[in-house]
Amino acid sequence: GAGVSQSPSNKVTEKGKDVELRCDPISGHTALYWYRQSLGQGLEFLIYFQGNSAPDKSGLPSDRFSAERTGGSVSTLTIQRTQQEDSAVYLCASSQARGNEQFFGPGTRLTVL
Amino acid sequence: GENVEQHPSTLSVQEGDSAVIKCTYSDSASNYFPWYKQELGKRPQLIIDIRSNVGEKKDQRIAVTLNKTAKHFSLHITETQPEDSAVYFCAASEYGNKLVFGAGTILRVKS
Repeated sequence: GAGVSQSPSNKVTEKGKDVELRCDPISGHTALYWYRQSLGQGLEFLIYFQGNSAPDKSGLPSDRFSAERTGGSVSTLTIQRTQQEDSAVYLCASSQARGNEQFFGPGTRLTVL
Repeated sequence: GENVEQHPSTLSVQEGDSAVIKCTYSDSASNYFPWYKQELGKRPQLIIDIRSNVGEKKDQRIAVTLNKTAKHFSLHITETQPEDSAVYFCAASEYGNKLVFGAGTILRVKS
């Protein structure tokens, strides 16, 4: 079946602009995660959705970052007033339920000029 | 919160030799420890995972060991092949929630 998909694959934006990144999880997966990977670095947790529960936003680096998950499926990560330090690959993952294997999408490479 | 340290940052081995990557974690509540392989430009893919009720798990040439008392776990790859070359990440979480990742190990297998 189809894996996790993300769009766009690449996004170049100017400092100060807002961006939206999209994640389509594997069908039926109730848990969805966003991570950020800076060049040559490990993955940094951003936010986690599980079913209808309130999301765990503990990893969001500032109030410029927000995410939503509509209908328990597609998720959008929004970064407002982008800064150069926001440049990274943003990875989405989904799992069947909490505690199961997380399957990653291909990521969105964000470059802020 | 949880903190995961991973060593070494780079590892070069000769084809056919074994490779060992070690991670330590700080939160004794963590009970799920996956290992991901990431090839250049690709997404991370799970290669093996272990839960805290098990001390060792093996899958063909790959094995993971867990020492809960010392709070460390290790990845062992035997009979390495060139296609094992990649970046390997360990991670820890409580109940499989958010994963806290190590910084990664670049493994190079020389043929």
